[in-house]
Amino acid sequence: DAKTTQPNSMESNEEEPVHLPCNHSTISGTDYIHWYRQLPSQGPEYVIHGLTSNVNNRMASLAIAEDRKSSTLILHRATLRDAAVYYCILSRRIQGAQKLVFGQGTRLTINP
Amino acid sequence: NAGVTQTPKFRILKIGQSMTLQCTQDMNHNYMYWYRQDPGMGLKLIYYSVGAGITDKGEVPNGYNVSRSTTEDFPLRLELAAPSQTSVYFCASNTLTGTSGNTIYFGEGSWLTVV
Repeated sequence: DAKTTQPNSMESNEEEPVHLPCNHSTISGTDYIHWYRQLPSQGPEYVIHGLTSNVNNRMASLAIAEDRKSSTLILHRATLRDAAVYYCILSRRIQGAQKLVFGQGTRLTINP
Repeated sequence: NAGVTQTPKFRILKIGQSMTLQCTQDMNHNYMYWYRQDPGMGLKLIYYSVGAGITDKGEVPNGYNVSRSTTEDFPLRLELAAPSQTSVYFCASNTLTGTSGNTIYFGEGSWLTVV
């Protein structure tokens, strides 16, 4: 399974933008790039996903490099509730099922 | 909205005991998954199912069994519990149809300690 590389931790201030990087140099053409986040003592929560083009939703934006070997999750205006572990995941469908391979993620701290 | 429901939330087992973690979803999802998460680590896939009656191994299946007799339920069985199975277990589900076809929904987790 293709792996992703993320910084162990990042810190930002409330109401400022946050850019969370992810490297996935072994990505294959059919792999989707997914981001999930996990708040303490909770299950992971879907944030955003993309294949080739940049994506926006109500939670975040996903910027994907042209060669697809890296991507960046952008939180436009961080709040204290955004403090979580963020996982960048390459998703491949097996028999239709989405097999997510989680790394250790980036622990994001938001300062008031 | 119930979503994915797991029971029990907390359990302490003695070495060698067996138990079943229950998982049910009310979203009519075809695909269901069991993950485990050790402290400070990401989740690892134990088993998954693409529909009723069909299951397959994930990354770390040893020591576990699953069944999928209905679309809604996907129980995870631990036989002969070992300390290495102390972990947090997450059940998840998704569908390929609709606007949320790429979203996997996770339960709140089951904390299991084997002593």
